[in-house]
Amino acid sequence: NAGVMQNPRHLVRRRGQEARLRCSPMKGHSHVYWYRQLPEEGLKFMVYLQKENIIDESGMPKERFSAEFPKEGPSILRIQQVVRGDSAAYFCASSPRVDGDEQFFGPGTRLTVL
Amino acid sequence: DQQVKQNSPSLSVQEGRISILNCDYTNSMFDYFLWYKKYPAEGPTFLISISSIKDKNEDGRFTVFLNKSAKHLSLHIVPSQPGDSAVYFCAAKGAQKLVFGQGTRLTINP
Repeated sequence: NAGVMQNPRHLVRRRGQEARLRCSPMKGHSHVYWYRQLPEEGLKFMVYLQKENIIDESGMPKERFSAEFPKEGPSILRIQQVVRGDSAAYFCASSPRVDGDEQFFGPGTRLTVL
Repeated sequence: DQQVKQNSPSLSVQEGRISILNCDYTNSMFDYFLWYKKYPAEGPTFLISISSIKDKNEDGRFTVFLNKSAKHLSLHIVPSQPGDSAVYFCAAKGAQKLVFGQGTRLTINP
């Protein structure tokens, strides 16, 4: 039973480019969460999605960031016109049900903006 | 505003002794608390959790204690082993999202 998968593991972008981060939840999990970890800090919640629905995006920056979880395929976190301050590790987590207490994390995507 | 705080950025413990990691929170609406362990360049790995209706949960070498009146929880690892060296995050669950502390780097010395 594969765990949460994220790709790419490392992504380098120049300022102004777009970054797309992908997350495939664990089999049977339909709830996906994205978190961001800046250097020397804890993980910060960004967005919570179920299939085809954004449930809570209270942690997402208002500009340039968007997320989706289509009926088919992985969840995508998209960052347009990246800036140096977007450099961070982005983690995806999944849980099997809405009242699932444990969230299981993927290995993360480390984004570096030059 | 930091709703979940781990005030010790690092902790060093001798192998075989007890490691105690602490965490404080401010929001009384949190209903579930979790500890995650994280190695460099990997995602957090779930370790142990506790519901807000309990005050203790034990799993092998790991025990989590919750003091609701003090809004404090702690993770005890005994005996500590070299493989326990990692960054430990406490997290509190509210409204389906996790709020993390800043982490404590635990080093187990042989």
